[in-house]
Amino acid sequence: NAGVTQTPKFQVLKTGQSMTLQCAQDMNHEYMSWYRQDPGMGLRLIHYSVGAGITDQGEVPNGYNVSRSTTEDFPLRLLSAAPSQTSVYFCASSYRLGWWNNEQFFGPGTRLTVL
Amino acid sequence: GQQVMQIPQYQHVQEGEDFTTYCNSSTTLSNIQWYKQRPGGHPVFLIQLVKSGEVKKQKRLTFQFGEAKKNSSLHITATQTTDVGTYFCVSGGSNYKLTFGKGTLLTVNP
Repeated sequence: NAGVTQTPKFQVLKTGQSMTLQCAQDMNHEYMSWYRQDPGMGLRLIHYSVGAGITDQGEVPNGYNVSRSTTEDFPLRLLSAAPSQTSVYFCASSYRLGWWNNEQFFGPGTRLTVL
Repeated sequence: GQQVMQIPQYQHVQEGEDFTTYCNSSTTLSNIQWYKQRPGGHPVFLIQLVKSGEVKKQKRLTFQFGEAKKNSSLHITATQTTDVGTYFCVSGGSNYKLTFGKGTLLTVNP
């Protein structure tokens, strides 16, 4: 199993550009989520999904869109990049519908800089 | 998940010394998870605590969940350079939203 994969590893954008961060898992996990990590802030939940076709907002959803058309993929879209979105983005997944039963498996992260 | 506060924010130790990080909540926690993130890496799951007063050990690591389920701790005995990283506690709730503490960065002087 490849686990949770994320592409790209690094990205530089200009203000106003859009892009999609890709996330995929091959473990048949129901729950997937996106976090951003900023220095001294821990990880903050952006969006999450409890299954294909179902998504919901986390703590910091503004400026981001998600979709979950398949169990495996959970892309994160930046609609119009802003310097405040400079961060490290992590995708995570876990097996069951409820987080409380299972560990979160994290991808390697995407380091995004917005100029 | 419920908000959790972690202390200390940073801890520097000499190799061989013990280390403890604490996670506190003003409300009762359903469960708590602990993760470790090496510098430049991604968070890796260490353990989950569920029961009041629960204590779990993994080699030199000891995890505790308070009797009132409002606090938790991670204790490392005789630190090694491989213990370097940021340790996060994570709370969750019935709404599937996990909340990370801000983490404790551990550095170890060999």
